[in-house]
Amino acid sequence: AQSVTQLGSHVSVSEGALVLLRCNYSSSVPPYLFWYVQYPNQGLQLLLKYTTGATLVKGINGFEAEFKKSETSFHLTKPSAHMSDAAEYFCAVSDYNQGGKLIFGQGTELSVKP
Amino acid sequence: DTGVSQDPRHKITKRGQNVTFRCDPISEHNRLYWYRQTLGQGPEFLTYFQNEAQLEKSRLLSDRFSAERPKGSFSTLEIQRTEQGDSAMYLCASSRDYYEQYFGPGTRLTVT
Repeated sequence: AQSVTQLGSHVSVSEGALVLLRCNYSSSVPPYLFWYVQYPNQGLQLLLKYTTGATLVKGINGFEAEFKKSETSFHLTKPSAHMSDAAEYFCAVSDYNQGGKLIFGQGTELSVKP
Repeated sequence: DTGVSQDPRHKITKRGQNVTFRCDPISEHNRLYWYRQTLGQGPEFLTYFQNEAQLEKSRLLSDRFSAERPKGSFSTLEIQRTEQGDSAMYLCASSRDYYEQYFGPGTRLTVT
C-alpha cells in the first residue's frame, strides 16, 4: 500500500526566507508524486509533479521539488517566501497501477510573517 | 478549458435528509474522482469513474452514498439519510488517463 507522511503540520517563515516543506512516501512501485496547494475554502491547485525523468522538478510560483529515491522523499522548496504563499500544502502519491487515485498526506499549513 | 466545476458550493442540511452534489469535469477528461476532506486533513479517495464506468469505491463509501456518471460526462454524488459525520468538503477532480488531476472548488456540506 502507498502512503505519504508530511513532517510538520505547521511551518512558519519570514517573508523572503527559504520555504522547505517535507514529504516522505512509501510505495511498492516507482511513484508518481505531486504537490498541491489549497487556499481557504477552495479546491486544490497543482504546483508540480514528478513521474519519470529529471528528479528536480519545477512548478508554478517559483516552487520546486526533488525526488530522492534513496530517501523516499519529495520535499518542496522555494528560495524566497511571499505573503501570498500562505496556504495549506499537500503532498500526494498516485496509485497509478490501480486507477490513479491520489493518496494524500495530512497537509502542512504555511504561514508567512512580514 | 473552463476547469472543473461543482455545484452547489455550500449545502446546509438537517440530519436525515438526502443531498446531491454535481461535478462537471474538464470536457476531454475521461477520468473523474470524488474525494472527501475533513477539517485539518488531506483529501481521502471515495470513488472514481473511467468514462461512465465506476471502477473503484473506497470502504469510506457506505451504502448511503451513491455516485453516477451518466454518458461519461458530469457526475453526481448522493448521500442519503445524512449524518453529522458526513459534514465535510466534497472534492471532485478529473484527469486524462493517468495524467495529473485537476480539482474543482469543492462542495462544503454541513449537517445540522
